[in-house]
Amino acid sequence: DIQMTQSPSTLSASVGDRVTITCRASQSINSWLAWYQQKPGKAPKLLINKASRLQNGVPSRFSGSGSGTEFTLSISSLQPDDFATYYCQQYSSYSLTFGGGTKVEIK
Amino acid sequence: EVQLVQSGAEVKKPGETLKISCKGSGYSFTNFWIGWVRQMPGKGLEWMAIIYPDDSDTKYSPSVQGQVTISVDKSISTAYLQWSSLRASDTAMYYCARQVGDYFDSWGQGTQVTVSS
Repeated sequence: DIQMTQSPSTLSASVGDRVTITCRASQSINSWLAWYQQKPGKAPKLLINKASRLQNGVPSRFSGSGSGTEFTLSISSLQPDDFATYYCQQYSSYSLTFGGGTKVEIK
Repeated sequence: EVQLVQSGAEVKKPGETLKISCKGSGYSFTNFWIGWVRQMPGKGLEWMAIIYPDDSDTKYSPSVQGQVTISVDKSISTAYLQWSSLRASDTAMYYCARQVGDYFDSWGQGTQVTVSS
């Protein structure tokens, strides 16, 4: 099975900061990577698919990049609504794996 | 609008059976895989299984294979996740989600399952 490792597990930042979250795959997954945002008590929300494609309605301050085994999710200017937990997810051969999550906290 | 509506919270005892549901609407239910994702208390997301409603083809994560069964009734656009003998370790929030290619684009609201004696 492909393992997904996210870092950091927790990130403290202020409104207006640029933040970057990294996700590493244990083997190449081409660009089969998605990013989700989850707030407490809510279902996850898709932000980005195919490593860099922004889902409709997601603010442009979110961006994704990478291919192969290393990927990043960036938020260009952190907003109050962005404090949440973020997960990466890979897909290969009818099997999916989520990363362990990155909690973005208020500094 | 794509919607996935899950059944309500459940409180069960160890050893009991349970079947939770996920009803899809607003799209062609039979043409998209439906997945189940577990989130244990205070933990991250864990993919459990997927099912293709048109032919009930299923794929399970090795971590849950044999522990749960997923099924679908396409006549009522509903997917199911069931247990034959619950354990305390099954206590979690369970989400269903529609899979589009390699990602989940729409999610249900979640079903909390609590197993306690």
